[in-house]
Amino acid sequence: KAGVTQTPRYLIKTRGQQVTLSCSPISGHRSVSWYQQTPGQGLQFLFEYFSETQRNKGNFPGRFSGRQFSNSRSEMNVSTLELGDSALYLCASSSLDSTDTQYFGPGTRLTVL
Amino acid sequence: AQSVTQPDIHITVSEGASLELRCNYSYGATPYLFWYVQSPGQGLQLLLKYFSGDTLVQGIKGFEAEFKRSQSSFNLRKPSVHWSDAAEYFCAVGAPRQGGKLIFGQGTELSVKP
Repeated sequence: KAGVTQTPRYLIKTRGQQVTLSCSPISGHRSVSWYQQTPGQGLQFLFEYFSETQRNKGNFPGRFSGRQFSNSRSEMNVSTLELGDSALYLCASSSLDSTDTQYFGPGTRLTVL
Repeated sequence: AQSVTQPDIHITVSEGASLELRCNYSYGATPYLFWYVQSPGQGLQLLLKYFSGDTLVQGIKGFEAEFKRSQSSFNLRKPSVHWSDAAEYFCAVGAPRQGGKLIFGQGTELSVKP
């Protein structure tokens, strides 16, 4: 099975712009979670989608949003970018069997100038 | 509230030496526990996981971890470290059946001396 894929791998934006990141889960996985990784805050949970519905949400401002499509692919959007949004954004998918194990993609490196 | 503590930010071991990375968690019941490894610029790779049953779990690349309920710990071990093990290691806790949200420790960076 192919793993979790994320596009693009690298992005450079300027403050005030918006950005959309994409995640394709492992085939058959219906849950997709997003995480932000920064040197200062570490790995922080953004939100989780299951069957096109946001089921769980972390403590991030409303500028961070996401959605999931019927094929389980997910996108996250960040509006009005700030310098502090520079981070590695990781997507993980899970089959939600008895173990809820999450498998991560390679991430999208976002740099905000 | 759930939390995970990895007390060691950076550890250096010699190649061939044994390794133990510490992880302590806070959770009201028995959580799901995971160890992931991350190489520079890469995503997270699952090393092993604990859900229930045998408290000693085996993972990939020769790693194992032991769940100790009384100490709220889930330490990662490897008997003989290889240079390719140099990476950052993350311990994580998840709530059973609540899906999607993992709480991560701050990570332990492992350096391997030749």
